[in-house]
Order: sequence, then C-alpha cells, then structure tokens
Amino acid sequence: DQQVKQNSPSLSVQEGRISILNCDYTNSMFDYFLWYKKYPAEGPTFLISISSIKDKNEDGRFTVFLNKSAKHLSLHIVPSQPGDSAVYFCAASSLGNTPLVFGKGTRLSVIA
Amino acid sequence: EPEVTQTPSHQVTQMGQEVILRCVPISNHLYFYWYRQILGQKVEFLVSFYNNEISEKSEIFDDQFSVERPDGSNFTLKIRSTKLEDSAMYFCASMSELPYEQYFGPGTRLTVT
Repeated sequence: DQQVKQNSPSLSVQEGRISILNCDYTNSMFDYFLWYKKYPAEGPTFLISISSIKDKNEDGRFTVFLNKSAKHLSLHIVPSQPGDSAVYFCAASSLGNTPLVFGKGTRLSVIA
Repeated sequence: EPEVTQTPSHQVTQMGQEVILRCVPISNHLYFYWYRQILGQKVEFLVSFYNNEISEKSEIFDDQFSVERPDGSNFTLKIRSTKLEDSAMYFCASMSELPYEQYFGPGTRLTVT
C-alpha cells in the first residue's frame, strides 16, 4: 500500500542545471508535504515543506510545487550542485502533526 | 543550531536480548516520534508521543516495543526481546507545534544476530 510514491529511484543531473524530483500520493487526506535529504549513515534532513493551501513554496535554490488535483508534488533544485548528491525523500501527513508517510526516495547524483 | 541526538550510533545485540535506544529531542519540541528504516526499504513510522503518552502507533509497534520520556529530556525506545527482523536504522524525530516540520536524529543502527 504505497500512499506516497517516488517512481524514479535515481536521477543524474549536470552541475548548474535544474534537478526535478517527483512525488505522487494517493491519500486525499494528506495536507502537508515535506522533502527530506539523506546522506548515507545519517538521519533525514528537513529541506522544505508545503501545505495544501499553497501551490508553491520557495527557499533559496529549492522550490516545491504542489498540484492537488493531480495529487502530485515536485522539488526543483536550481542550480544543482555536487553537494546536493543524496537520497531525497518525499513525505506526507494529514493535520500536520500526524506521522509522516515516506516515499521510497530518489537518489540524486549531480555530476561536476 | 539545535538538533536531535541519538545514542548509541550502533548497537549489536543477540536475538532475544533487550535493547534501549536513546534520543534527546530538540528542547522546546512537543511531539516525539520513532521511525525505522530496514536496509533498502522505506522509512516507516513506529510510534508518536505527545503530552507524556503515546498518541499513535503503527502495526510494527507491538507488545515488544515501548517508549518512555523518563526525565523530560530523554526519549527512549525499548525492544524487549529482539528478533532478527528488528535489524534496522532507528530514527528519532521531534517537532514543535508550528510549523509542522519533524527534525530527525542521526539514527541508531541496530544489528540483531
């Protein structure tokens, strides 16, 4: 039962270009979405979030877009840097303070 | 910058033994969570804790698991009798009221032999 899906297990991008990571969800009760970045042997690091009342949230090089009707969100990283190479997890919750449901992650490799 | 800490970073135990994983959440946070990630799989929710009691738990969190916040700063996860399938990375997370952003610790790698 995959309520949060990240269909691309990996993505390679040239340094300086845009990285687009995608996430789909099935549970219409989800109203808060987060992106986490994870390096090997470390915990997930919070990157950016968006609530369902918005369709875009921006923080520096990171922008998250939410399309509620399509139950789809995406994380854009511009420009991509080699230090962005990590596994990126999409996560969702309902009512904000409920447990997070994670996707399987997408491994981003930014090539210099 | 405040952060969630976890100890130990790696715990090796024999099947059937009890283990206690420790976490120190961010000090002004109110909600506390345990998640785990079995190698190659998703991060999965175990339990949430608010106002000194369990607020929600998953099917994974059976009678072998328990949580405590013994002294207002530490948040512990106990596995009473470990099984091989309990081998995983265990992550603690904490969150304040608003914004609803959970911050994770570095994890404890539990290896059950």
